[in-house]
Amino acid sequence: QKEVEQDPGPLSVPEGAIVSLNCTYSNSAFQYFMWYRQYSRKGPELLMYTYSSGNKEDGRFTAQVDKSSKYISLFIRDSQPSDSATYLCTSGRGYQKVTFGTGTKLQVIP
Amino acid sequence: DADVTQTPRNRITKTGKRIMLECSQTKGHDRMYWYRQDPGLGLQLIYYSFDVKDINKGEISDGYSVSRQAQAKFSLSLESAIPNQTALYFCATSEGAQETQYFGPGTRLLVL
Repeated sequence: QKEVEQDPGPLSVPEGAIVSLNCTYSNSAFQYFMWYRQYSRKGPELLMYTYSSGNKEDGRFTAQVDKSSKYISLFIRDSQPSDSATYLCTSGRGYQKVTFGTGTKLQVIP
Repeated sequence: DADVTQTPRNRITKTGKRIMLECSQTKGHDRMYWYRQDPGLGLQLIYYSFDVKDINKGEISDGYSVSRQAQAKFSLSLESAIPNQTALYFCATSEGAQETQYFGPGTRLLVL
């Protein structure tokens, strides 16, 4: 079993929809949780970062971590065609290499 | 200018050839990584280095080697390329306890 599991999709939604992207992880020592966004033919870029459990909001994006169930979520409100990308979740213990999920490819249709 | 650069951006080579992918960074980070990305498999860690004197194998190091020439430079070599090493290769640096990763633009490698 991989330490971080992510549904690869693809996920296709209409513009304006609420998108929910999810990951699970197996290592209870993980404290740091991040979401990266990767556009086609580009390197991934950090989108959201959360430490331990709880929610973090940044504009239309909300990252949520539930350590009791080892569940990581990213919500996108009012999705736009420019949100079409692959989203990767990562987890780590701190000052050590992180583990990436396989990525979920999202397409937002105008 | 980009903070993490990779050369070449695209490379076609033949089975059995030795090739080197180079990575340079101006972010001043000690920690550097090499990943490969294949469709459906996500990012797989090949090697990582936490400082100039520290080199560690990742999940898929077989068939690869690395050299950390300086804090700013981390090179990946394929000693004898094979077709299943065809992939997109990323170099990254990181900072902080959370290990925020900063990726280069990637190198597309095709091994015939």
